[in-house]
Amino acid sequence: EVQLVESGGGLVQPGRSLRLSCTVSGFTFGDYAMSWVRQAPGKGLEWLGLIRSKLDGGATEYAASVKGRFTILRDDSKNIAYLQMDSLKTEDTAVYYCYDHVGYWGQGTLVIVSS
Amino acid sequence: QTVVTQEPSLTVSPGGTVTLTCASSTGAVTSGYYPNWFQQKPGQAPRALIYSTSNRHSWTPARFSGSLLGGKAALTLSGVQPEDEADYYCLLYSGGVWVFGGGTKLTVL
Repeated sequence: EVQLVESGGGLVQPGRSLRLSCTVSGFTFGDYAMSWVRQAPGKGLEWLGLIRSKLDGGATEYAASVKGRFTILRDDSKNIAYLQMDSLKTEDTAVYYCYDHVGYWGQGTLVIVSS
Repeated sequence: QTVVTQEPSLTVSPGGTVTLTCASSTGAVTSGYYPNWFQQKPGQAPRALIYSTSNRHSWTPARFSGSLLGGKAALTLSGVQPEDEADYYCLLYSGGVWVFGGGTKLTVL
């Protein structure tokens, strides 16, 4: 059974950093690209960025809205994708999902940016 | 940056047919945009329905079909069921990045 489990969300002050994790099981994690997607309260889905598989060069791509503040990493030995979020703003408050581009989503983790 | 546009809301009767569309500000949507479609119900994570324009996932009911229609990506639901009431999002690959549409709220009434 394929599972994606996000973790690391919580309450964080503006300007601080937070790292989210997406732990994958049930398929060969290293063979696939992973994306991060968020959904602000009552809003639609927003694609944030992607990290390609090592076989595909391991490159990253980011949405313009988060480029330079957010970084996606992967550890294929642990089957984990990370979303490093720096200089957080109140408008980054959202549920954050990982998506594997094979069809599977995590359940999401809530990030609240507030003083 | 590419803007992807969907109908904000649509209403369909049970058993009916409805088509949701997905347009790109850069021009006609082609297979090279690798259109994906997702369904999301309140309080749940999105669920993938269609990838690469018209391919169903193993769990996608046959009443959902994807296509290209008049320069847009399209998702057609045939024989709509009450449980199909949900938000639907398209996702396009454009200019080296992926972009979601704003979503369509489908009401089954």
